[in-house]
Amino acid sequence: GIQVEQSPPDLILQEGANSTLRCNFSDSVNNLQWFHQNPWGQLINLFYIPSGTKQNGRLSATTVATERYSLLYISSSQTTDSGVYFCAVEIEIGTSYGKLTFGQGTILTVHP
Amino acid sequence: DAGVIQSPRHEVTEMGQEVTLRCKPISGHDYLFWYRQTMMRGLELLIYFNNNVPIDDSGMPEDRFSAKMPNASFSTLKIQPSEPRDSAVYFCASSLEAPPGDTQYFGPGTRLTVL
Repeated sequence: GIQVEQSPPDLILQEGANSTLRCNFSDSVNNLQWFHQNPWGQLINLFYIPSGTKQNGRLSATTVATERYSLLYISSSQTTDSGVYFCAVEIEIGTSYGKLTFGQGTILTVHP
Repeated sequence: DAGVIQSPRHEVTEMGQEVTLRCKPISGHDYLFWYRQTMMRGLELLIYFNNNVPIDDSGMPEDRFSAKMPNASFSTLKIQPSEPRDSAVYFCASSLEAPPGDTQYFGPGTRLTVL
């Protein structure tokens, strides 16, 4: 099956710092999503971004589908950004609609 | 909308007992997904439904697990008999239409502990 690798596995920041999280995947995809799991366990969808660039406030994401990677940028980090960031992909096979495969996540800790 | 609703939020049971987890998707969503999250295996898709019909159950770990969706607003995931290795957080998610094109919205999860 498709492999999804996220880096770094852990990241510790001081409030106000910027960061870049990376997601590499092993096959062509027609769906890529970034999620944030907060310290209470809730999973929140951040971006649906199979290709191109999107921005939402201090967060932005870029996916280069031809090179099979996606980046999540967090600027001016805040303590509320702490949690685990997951990348999830769906491969380009007609019978696989809806089958998201998740990476192992990046654990982000932002200190005040 | 209230979002995806799951119950119970926490469940503690003894090995061998039957466990039933419940999910109410967002109204109008066509797809419903069940995931399991563990430290060892991360987030795994177990099964998903489209218009109440199971589409892919290849992620269901074994015959002890079963899932049903009797109508558009309710789904259950049942484990019988439960084992300690089933301890995990089980998430339900729903989406408006098949990807590509839409996002999956997750419920708060059910934390299951099997003693």
